[in-house]
Amino acid sequence: DQQVKQNSPSLSVQEGRISILNCDYTNSMFDYFLWYKKYPAEGPTFLISISSIKDKNEDGRFTVFLNKSAKHLSLHIVPSQPGDSAVYFCAATSYNFNKFYFGSGTKLNVKP
Amino acid sequence: EAGVVQSPRYKIIEKKQPVAFWCNPISGHNTLYWYLQNLGQGPELLIRYENEEAVDDSQLPKDRFSAERLKGVDSTLKIQPAELGDSAVYLCASSSSAGPGELFFGEGSRLTVL
Repeated sequence: DQQVKQNSPSLSVQEGRISILNCDYTNSMFDYFLWYKKYPAEGPTFLISISSIKDKNEDGRFTVFLNKSAKHLSLHIVPSQPGDSAVYFCAATSYNFNKFYFGSGTKLNVKP
Repeated sequence: EAGVVQSPRYKIIEKKQPVAFWCNPISGHNTLYWYLQNLGQGPELLIRYENEEAVDDSQLPKDRFSAERLKGVDSTLKIQPAELGDSAVYLCASSSSAGPGELFFGEGSRLTVL
């Protein structure tokens, strides 16, 4: 039973445009959400996070939006750059336990 | 600051052979995780340590997998005997106990079982 789902295995956008990556979760106990970026042959690296007390968190070109009622979060990258091409994983956890659940990833390709 | 270090990066073995992976977490990180990542999927937790104690090993196939974290620092994950289906990337991660915070991952150990 997958508690975190990324239903789009891939996404292709033009350089300079917006990339929107989506993630859904099923467990209402989750209250902390993270996005990780992974290049080939490397481990995932932390990108941005959001607590359930917020609905938006920004860090430069990256913004994460959280819709708790819909159990949905999204990552916006504006403007997208070719160096953003990677696999993006959504993860969820709870302040009550140190267990992280990951989605299956979305492969982003930013075309020059 | 050094990141999470894993070795070996790549390992090719024949089925039924043993294999071991080593992980050195970020200094001061009390929590250490071993994750399994199959192709096209996200990381799945195998075992989590708080210091030297395994606090969550519910997903570790204990008939063939074992792990240890002596002295609460380095950790070793062992598979004996390996099966074809064990071919995957084994990721080690660590985090500060002041959580939840984020996980810091190593580069992973890619296992191929022939």
